[in-house]
Amino acid sequence: DAKTTQPTSMDCAEGRAANLPCNHSTISGNEYVYWYRQIHSQGPQYIIHGLKNNETNEMASLIITEDRKSSTLILPHATLRDTAVYYCIVRPTRGSGNTPLVFGKGTRLSVIA
Amino acid sequence: SAVISQKPSRDICQRGTSLTIQCQVDSQVTMMFWYRQQPGQSLTLIATANQGSEATYESGFVIDKFPISRPNLTFSTLTVSNLSPEDSSIYLCSAREGGGETQYFGPGTRLLVL
Repeated sequence: DAKTTQPTSMDCAEGRAANLPCNHSTISGNEYVYWYRQIHSQGPQYIIHGLKNNETNEMASLIITEDRKSSTLILPHATLRDTAVYYCIVRPTRGSGNTPLVFGKGTRLSVIA
Repeated sequence: SAVISQKPSRDICQRGTSLTIQCQVDSQVTMMFWYRQQPGQSLTLIATANQGSEATYESGFVIDKFPISRPNLTFSTLTVSNLSPEDSSIYLCSAREGGGETQYFGPGTRLLVL
């Protein structure tokens, strides 16, 4: 079973920041938080991951709460091309084996012009 | 990052036949996985493809229905056998370098069974 809870869907106006929440209240100390997205008819695309510190890359920022029980993916300036299903996934760190990603239902983000 | 390609990208098959999907990674990877995505659903892990040994299947998936080969560190095949309309799905190959933190996905193979 997926260990995360996400809203089923969200809308965001083009050019505004999209903030996608994820609850992972049962996360273990050795588990990363990963975010992927799947644009229609494509394979999942890696976005970002983190353990306990906030992370930023060219695609997005990941904010993880201090207790690590929830996180938020931020797309700073959403475009129509960001319309996709976004998956929040927890997975053990590299030292804990080669566990594959287990996907939940994700959040369907619609960016509106 | 690893680049993954799959063949075919899509196919239409008759019930009772089989389809073999090929997955090629542009670099040597330790871990390869196969997922299924049924229409309108999320991804479900079918199995881990192990090099030189039998694949490790998830609950609900069996080798007779989904035989998998992994002859080397860059290539794997998934066969979906004795096709029925319920097998109509997208099948995705995925890979991760040993000890690596990021898992990459291929574009998927869209299968329609008539």
